[in-house]
Amino acid sequence: EAQVTQNPRYLITVTGKKLTVTCSQNMNHEYMSWYRQDPGLGLRQIYYSMNVEVTDKGDVPEGYKVSRKEKRNFPLILESPSPNQTSLYFCASSSTSAGGPGETQYFGPGTRLLVL
Amino acid sequence: AQKITQTQPGMFVQEKEAVTLDCTYDTSDPSYGLFWYKQPSSGEMIFLIYQGSYDQQNATEGRYSLNFQKARKSANLVISASQLGDSAMYFCAMREGRYSSASKIIFGSGTRLSIRP
Repeated sequence: EAQVTQNPRYLITVTGKKLTVTCSQNMNHEYMSWYRQDPGLGLRQIYYSMNVEVTDKGDVPEGYKVSRKEKRNFPLILESPSPNQTSLYFCASSSTSAGGPGETQYFGPGTRLLVL
Repeated sequence: AQKITQTQPGMFVQEKEAVTLDCTYDTSDPSYGLFWYKQPSSGEMIFLIYQGSYDQQNATEGRYSLNFQKARKSANLVISASQLGDSAMYFCAMREGRYSSASKIIFGSGTRLSIRP
């Protein structure tokens, strides 16, 4: 089954304690992306990756790091989480070939993060 | 800078009526793609429909159609014969540089649609 998985689904942590949210896709997609969703703001892109070892900043990259060492995985790292990073996080992937409906993004189930 | 605007924070519609969700966008790139997603209360993001900037016809997917007015930079979602299960948050999104090797994707703030029985 084609899917994007994220772990953990729920996380409560404290300010300053480093954490990693994993994301994996089994569709051989080139494009992967992280978003955060906050009430009234929709989804905002944090980082995206066009392929292995190719990453770029989205609109809200401050306080986050990513890496793309393998095509299927795209972890999101919060080196020193702060309360303003409390949010719902989504990972997504898509193919970059040809454009069109095939480039639609498949989303993971989301990770709810609470930073105390 | 690219921008997506959804001006309707919430809408109430009677079951079986058609509903239009508004979306306007702003971009200087002639090549872009527009998407609509549905997010039910369970939280997952569900792809509904896609429109490319060079597509000649409006996209349709079952009960969903996209009213694409390029000159007005609008990409409204039309849901025909609404159902109770259509109650959800709906997001419009855009990807610039449709065929480029690197592009951001931006989302609107969403419209919460509630269907009344």
